[in-house]
Amino acid sequence: DTGVSQDPRHKITKRGQNVTFRCDPISEHNRLYWYRQTLGQGPEFLTYFQNEAQLEKSRLLSDRFSAERPKGSFSTLEIQRTEQGDSAMYLCASSLVPVVVYEQYFGPGTRLTVT
Amino acid sequence: GIQVEQSPPDLILQEGANSTLRCNFSDSVNNLQWFHQNPWGQLINLFYIPSGTKQNGRLSATTVATERYSLLYISSSQTTDSGVYFCAVERYTGNQFYFGTGTSLTVIP
Repeated sequence: DTGVSQDPRHKITKRGQNVTFRCDPISEHNRLYWYRQTLGQGPEFLTYFQNEAQLEKSRLLSDRFSAERPKGSFSTLEIQRTEQGDSAMYLCASSLVPVVVYEQYFGPGTRLTVT
Repeated sequence: GIQVEQSPPDLILQEGANSTLRCNFSDSVNNLQWFHQNPWGQLINLFYIPSGTKQNGRLSATTVATERYSLLYISSSQTTDSGVYFCAVERYTGNQFYFGTGTSLTVIP
């Protein structure tokens, strides 16, 4: 049973460029989450999907951010016109609901550096 | 949202020592998980523990949901236990996690 995978693991980009990250959840999981983590802080929720439907978005998710989960499988997170403040670790997690014992499982993250 | 406070923020231990990490949260929750974040940033699941007590090897955890806190115990610490420990809570199962700011643990040989 493979875990959550994310690609790329590291991305360096120049301010103003667009970037796209991919997340592949655990295969039978129907929920997929995106979080952002800055240095010295805990992860902060961005958005989540139930299958292909985006059910909730945080106020942290500005208009420059868009996420998709076509066909309820993998997901992409795109950041347009990147800013230095976007530099962070972007984490993806997945889970299966409803179940009795419920857990979110996290991927290794994509570390974004905007120069 | 739910406020999650973890203490202490930093902890330095000699190898072999025991420690207790605390997580306080501001509202009733349906889910609580403890994670260990390794130096490469990977969050590793330690416990799913919305209430009660669980043990896994040298680690154990207790959540007292009615008093809104959870404790993570590490016994006979090893250098590989170093990293940041996060507590995360959910108000409703399957929704977003609220994370604390973590406890940074350093175990020295």
